[in-house]
Amino acid sequence: GAVVSQHPSWVICKSGTSVKIECRSLDFQATTMFWYRQFPKQSLMLMATSNEGSKATYEQGVEKDKFLINHASLTLSTLTVTSAHPEDSSFYICSARTFYNEQFFGPGTRLTVL
Amino acid sequence: AQSVTQLDSQVPVFEEAPVELRCNYSSSVSVYLFWYVQYPNQGLQLLLKYLSGSTLVESINGFEAEFNKSQTSFHLRKPSVHISDTAEYFCAVSGVNFNKFYFGSGTKLNVKP
Repeated sequence: GAVVSQHPSWVICKSGTSVKIECRSLDFQATTMFWYRQFPKQSLMLMATSNEGSKATYEQGVEKDKFLINHASLTLSTLTVTSAHPEDSSFYICSARTFYNEQFFGPGTRLTVL
Repeated sequence: AQSVTQLDSQVPVFEEAPVELRCNYSSSVSVYLFWYVQYPNQGLQLLLKYLSGSTLVESINGFEAEFNKSQTSFHLRKPSVHISDTAEYFCAVSGVNFNKFYFGSGTKLNVKP
């Protein structure tokens, strides 16, 4: 099956700093990438949808200035958590959709903000 | 919009016993249905999916799920579980354009020896 990677897998940062998370489709081109957030013991919540070369579409309640998404190519999307605070600590998961509409999930990035 | 309900947050079961994880969805349009499994500190892995055709779908490791349109359900079953099946299972629904996935709250399956 297709592989989606995320980097880093785990990051700890100080409050007020920004953190960038990369999502790559390794062996296919992704028309669309999605970013999810998973709080402990809860389900995944869709944060935003990004299409290559265009602005991301954010779900209601997600601050676009807080969570910057860039989809620079058909194989790379980045999520930048700006001025991170402890409440931003979470598990962030991306997924990538192929031209055939199959969706593959990355392994996730655990963000801890001190 | 779609939504997914997984009524059981935790399901303890003994090894080699059968198990059913329940999933109900609501939608005003046609949907595709999925089950994903998540092992600790890992991402989601697709277990099985229903897109069309036979309402009974199977995975390679013995799980099966049946799409029941009248009951808007997609319950996951396995006739005999193994210790290695211990994980969290998420039911998800998407529109037929695969635009967005909506996930249930997850069910933790704990298989005891």
